[in-house]
Amino acid sequence: KNQVEQSPQSLIILEGKNCTLQCNYTVSPFSNLRWYKQDTGRGPVSLTIMTFSENTKSNGRYTATLDADTKQSSLHITASQLSDSASYICVVYDRGSTLGRLYFGRGTQLTVWP
Amino acid sequence: EADIYQTPRYLVIGTGKKITLECSQTMGHDKMYWYQQDPGMELHLIHYSYGVNSTEKGDLSSESTVSRIRTEHFPLTLESARPSHTSQYLCASVSPGLAGEEGTGELFFGEGSRLTVL
Repeated sequence: KNQVEQSPQSLIILEGKNCTLQCNYTVSPFSNLRWYKQDTGRGPVSLTIMTFSENTKSNGRYTATLDADTKQSSLHITASQLSDSASYICVVYDRGSTLGRLYFGRGTQLTVWP
Repeated sequence: EADIYQTPRYLVIGTGKKITLECSQTMGHDKMYWYQQDPGMELHLIHYSYGVNSTEKGDLSSESTVSRIRTEHFPLTLESARPSHTSQYLCASVSPGLAGEEGTGELFFGEGSRLTVL
């Protein structure tokens, strides 16, 4: 079982609408969590990092939240644009691993329609 | 834009051929990784390097090999390609991260090499 589960698997929204993507993890001990955006045919690009002590962080129209107690993170996208169409990947760092293990979710495929 | 480059972007080859996927970065990062990505699946680590002359196999069993003779260069080689090797291969390097915060380095990815083996 993957230690990072993302939902929904895919999502279609209309341009201008908001949406929220979820990431649940079982990685322990937890250190930090990053959200990456991957455009089709490109490599992932980091949107934001959430460390253990942080609850919320914004990066433009992207707002990430973290609840380390329930092991959940969300990525909220406000006023979506066509360019937001991409896969959003949650990546969790396991600080208990000897070599710094990263656990990847399978991503949420977001499609924004005009 | 990340300063990490992969070539070729697309490659279609026949079974049994030897191929090398190139990866170069100009950021001076010590840690570099190769991941395999299939549609709808999570990235799987196939090789990593923590510096020159340091290479290790990742979690996903792979018949490929890597080398790290220079900091900026981390090529991946398949001696004899098979259809099961058809996939997207992503190279990444890691920034040092936040001071005092282990594991906060950011992964910088290349644009990927999409390999198709017929």
